[in-house]
Amino acid sequence: EDQVTQSPEALRLQEGESSSLNCSYTVSGLRGLFWYRQDPGKGPEFLFTLYSAGEEKEKERLKATLTKKESFLHITAPKPEDSATYLCAVLGLRFQKLVFGTGTRLLVSP
Amino acid sequence: NAGVTQTPKFRVLKTGQSMTLLCAQDMNHEYMYWYRQDPGMGLRLIHYSVGEGTTAKGEVPDGYNVSRLKKQNFLLGLESAAPSQTSVYFCASTTGNYQETQYFGPGTRLLVL
Repeated sequence: EDQVTQSPEALRLQEGESSSLNCSYTVSGLRGLFWYRQDPGKGPEFLFTLYSAGEEKEKERLKATLTKKESFLHITAPKPEDSATYLCAVLGLRFQKLVFGTGTRLLVSP
Repeated sequence: NAGVTQTPKFRVLKTGQSMTLLCAQDMNHEYMYWYRQDPGMGLRLIHYSVGEGTTAKGEVPDGYNVSRLKKQNFLLGLESAAPSQTSVYFCASTTGNYQETQYFGPGTRLLVL
């Protein structure tokens, strides 16, 4: 069974303090690993898709990387508007559905 | 281009009542999904559809039914609501191509008393 574990559950940073969020996964052949951002009371907003180990993608202060067992979402010099819950999900070869982690709640203080 | 929309945004039901949640997408997507999100449990798939007229069970289908009569709409029904169905419900859609990026609606908050 495909599984996703995200850590930490919650993270508090000061503005400008860089850090990383972790997404560990087990999957029966990876078709894609997805990162979403979710603001309170809203639906998940797509950020990145990674397909193979070694792949990296960047968007503004966010950079996602992928290995065979985990993915990292690196946040460089975060701002308060980066505060949100970040969700990781995997799509395996066996099942036609995403498996989500429980997310990391990020709070960036000014 | 509104993307994925959901109706209603919030609803309160009494145990045993029925209701239908509506999801609509204007991106001509083939695949549509219904999820529920509960604290500490992440998003869990209820039912999904790979095309007009088709539906399939997801991870937690019990107590729910779905219909996809039109390509752009995906309905989620609760025939007899239970307190355990109190949750936030999200609809998502995707092209159905290999890349499978799903786009989510804003959610429906359901409280069953």
